[in-house]
Amino acid sequence: QKEVEQNSGPLSVPEGAIASLNCTYSDRGSQSFFWYRQYSGKSPELIMSIYSNGDKEDGRFTAQLNKASQYVSLLIRDSQPSDSATYLCAVHNFNKFYFGSGTKLNVKP
Amino acid sequence: DAGVIQSPRHEVTEMGQEVTLRCKPISGHNSLFWYRQTMMRGLELLIYFNNNVPIDDSGMPEDRFSAKMPNASFSTLKIQPSEPRDSAVYFCASSRDRAELFFGEGSRLTVL
Repeated sequence: QKEVEQNSGPLSVPEGAIASLNCTYSDRGSQSFFWYRQYSGKSPELIMSIYSNGDKEDGRFTAQLNKASQYVSLLIRDSQPSDSATYLCAVHNFNKFYFGSGTKLNVKP
Repeated sequence: DAGVIQSPRHEVTEMGQEVTLRCKPISGHNSLFWYRQTMMRGLELLIYFNNNVPIDDSGMPEDRFSAKMPNASFSTLKIQPSEPRDSAVYFCASSRDRAELFFGEGSRLTVL
């Protein structure tokens, strides 16, 4: 079983819609959770971090964490074509960062 | 502040040659990580250092791979001899006290 699981997609949404990206993790002891955005041919860029249960909002982005269900999600409101990228979920555990395989998001104009 | 700096950005070499990738972490960061990314396997952690000391190298695929961190501002990842299956993008990333991780732009390696 992988440490971090994501649906690979692609997830297609129309411009202006809400994109919902999901991630599950296997180790209940995990403490820190991150979302990275990676454009094709570029490096992963940190967009959100979340450490406690509940929601965390930053502009159009909302990260949600449910430790009981071992579930992390990222909502992107008012999706823009520039949001089209691969979104990587990362979990910090035992001094390591484990990454999911990423979900490819395609926002159609 | 400068981000994580990696060199070279692109490397094309022939099978059997030695490859050395370099990384300068963000100033003040005390943890450094080397990852490899391929389409098939995604981002794989190869090795990480804390305060210049290698902590976990269990992700290093073979003895052909080695990594060093002689000081807080420099690390190398060496592949000797290189093989075509080593072709990938190699990322260096750093963090302070193992908090948020910041990536360099990567070194794209092609082994012919």
